[in-house]
Amino acid sequence: KNQVEQSPQSLIILEGKNCTLQCNYTVSPFSNLRWYKQDTGRGPVSLTIMTFSENTKSNGRYTATLDADTKQSSLHITASQLSDSASYICVVITYGNNRLAFGKGNQVVVIP
Amino acid sequence: DVKVTQSSRYLVKRTGEKVFLECVQDMDHENMFWYRQDPGLGLRLIYFSYDVKMKEKGDIPEGYSVSREKKERFSLILESASTNQTSMYLCASNDRPGLVLNEQFFGPGTRLTVL
Repeated sequence: KNQVEQSPQSLIILEGKNCTLQCNYTVSPFSNLRWYKQDTGRGPVSLTIMTFSENTKSNGRYTATLDADTKQSSLHITASQLSDSASYICVVITYGNNRLAFGKGNQVVVIP
Repeated sequence: DVKVTQSSRYLVKRTGEKVFLECVQDMDHENMFWYRQDPGLGLRLIYFSYDVKMKEKGDIPEGYSVSREKKERFSLILESASTNQTSMYLCASNDRPGLVLNEQFFGPGTRLTVL
């Protein structure tokens, strides 16, 4: 069973609208959580990094939230643009080692 | 800016060929990683290296080997390529744990097709 589950698997939204992507994890002990954006045919690029004590982190129109008690995170995209079309990958890092648990990604398509 | 480069963006090889995928990082990072990414499976760790000449198996090392002769370079080797190794291969690097938040910086990927 995957330790990081993301939903929805894919999403189509109109340009200018908002959307929220979900990430639930079972990884323990928790160190930090990242959201990466991966454009088609490219490597992932980090959007946000959150540690146990952080509840929210913003990067421009991207806002990530973390509830370490319920082991849930979300990524909110505000006023979506065509360039937001990408896969968004949730990654959870276990405390004490350098291993990452990857979600399978949320595929977002923004249409005009 | 951290720069992780991979030798090829696209590669087509035949079954049984020996394949070398090269990765170079310019930030003096201690750790380097090789992943493969397949639809519906996400990223899976093949091998990683904490130091020159050091290597550790990841989750799916079968059919692969690695080489780290210099700190900045990490090579992935497919000794005898097979069709089930057709995939996107991603290299990443980061600093030693404890010094930073372990963010991994990824290269652009190599799309390998084995015919």
